[in-house]
Amino acid sequence: NAGVTQTPKFQVLKTGQSMTLQCAQDMNHNSMYWYRQDPGMGLRLIYYSASEGTTDKGEVPNGYNVSRLNKREFSLRLESAAPSQTSVYFCATTLDRGYYGYTFGSGTRLTVV
Amino acid sequence: DAKTTQPTSMDCAEGRAANLPCNHSTISGNEYVYWYRQIHSQGPQYIIHGLKNNETNEMASLIITEDRKSSTLILPHATLRDTAVYYCIVRVGSRLTFGEGTQLTVNP
Repeated sequence: NAGVTQTPKFQVLKTGQSMTLQCAQDMNHNSMYWYRQDPGMGLRLIYYSASEGTTDKGEVPNGYNVSRLNKREFSLRLESAAPSQTSVYFCATTLDRGYYGYTFGSGTRLTVV
Repeated sequence: DAKTTQPTSMDCAEGRAANLPCNHSTISGNEYVYWYRQIHSQGPQYIIHGLKNNETNEMASLIITEDRKSSTLILPHATLRDTAVYYCIVRVGSRLTFGEGTQLTVNP
């Protein structure tokens, strides 16, 4: 029972490159989220998916796109990476709109040079 | 969104209770208070949540004031492994909005 799995764990990109961060969960949770965390700061919500087939913008959606591929998987895409997107990215899931608490993945550390 | 205010940092002696305060004076009647912690650079870990009654689980206790404008997370016997950043969050809808949290350092 892996919980929330994020891939890759580390990535270095050149400015302008694209990439997709993957998140998969095996807990049968309905809602999934993508956060970013810059050094010394709290987490900021990028996008979320309250249920399969729906996605919504969070606090800082610019420069990102998401896909809720199915109930298990929620991917985050950077179409043209910028140095300002250097951050740690966390995926989170919850069963029912957060009442039961959120489970976070271990993060993807992205550096854009 | 309801905002929370926490001290930037706190220290606690190992084996003693750690009491972490949080102000959320603009909280609405149906908004829950959640506590998470983040150890080093790991993903945040859920600790406890509550609406208006005090709550206790195997990790901690949550005391919410009667007017719900503030709360206190209590770690009854802090250990070195409890050193972490602790986030007090008021959940709005299905979203968690993180502040900068309190860096708790447990000292030997």
